Amino acid sequence: QVQLQESGPGLVKPSQTLSLTCTVSGGSISSGSYYWSWIRQPAGKGLEWIGRIYTSGSTNYNPSLKSRVTISVDTSKNQFSLKLSSVTAADTAVYYCARDHLVAAAGTLVGWFDPWGQGTLVTVSS
Amino acid sequence: SSELTQDPAVSVALGQTVRITCQGDSLRSYYASWYQQKPGQAPVLVIYGKNNRPSGIPDRFSGSSSGNTASLTITGAQAEDEADYYCNSRDSSGNHLSVFGTGTKVTVL
Repeated sequence: QVQLQESGPGLVKPSQTLSLTCTVSGGSISSGSYYWSWIRQPAGKGLEWIGRIYTSGSTNYNPSLKSRVTISVDTSKNQFSLKLSSVTAADTAVYYCARDHLVAAAGTLVGWFDPWGQGTLVTVSS
Repeated sequence: SSELTQDPAVSVALGQTVRITCQGDSLRSYYASWYQQKPGQAPVLVIYGKNNRPSGIPDRFSGSSSGNTASLTITGAQAEDEADYYCNSRDSSGNHLSVFGTGTKVTVL
């Protein structure tokens, strides 16, 4: 079964760029009609969707982060990546990657995230 | 609006039934999905679509939807169901952007 694993620096300085990679194992990132998403969660707070990428390279971003976010995919490595620029302490969070499903069913659309990576804590501090 | 609103906390006696609700305009167009998150762990999908449970999720978890409200019901709550629960849906922007609910802390008494 498909598993996801986040990796990247756990500490980033303010104003710099946060970079994380999600490695997909147990299946090809290109198989099936899936999107691949990044989601984050500050300590003690709720989940925030950051954005998604399709294996064609098309992306969608959370409007509140769009100006600072870039998500890319490397199908040869079975990975997708997140870059978040000009970080501040407010970007300190656990960052998760997840497979993102979106299908039409019974006249409506159904979306869900499954599976998720275990998450990685990124702290923004000097 | 793309916001999804949940009650911050609910409690349920062991073995009893609890319903968690999620309200938002986007739920008129999209089914919600529901996630259980225990402390220090990644969220786990428990319900998606009209009322679908992934493999391994107990059948005491069920989902429903009416108008702008989606609900997750735990029938016969167990101690291990104590967790945070988040709903998720897509907005109506045309790009199906994702949005999470504010989360509900479920305490099993």
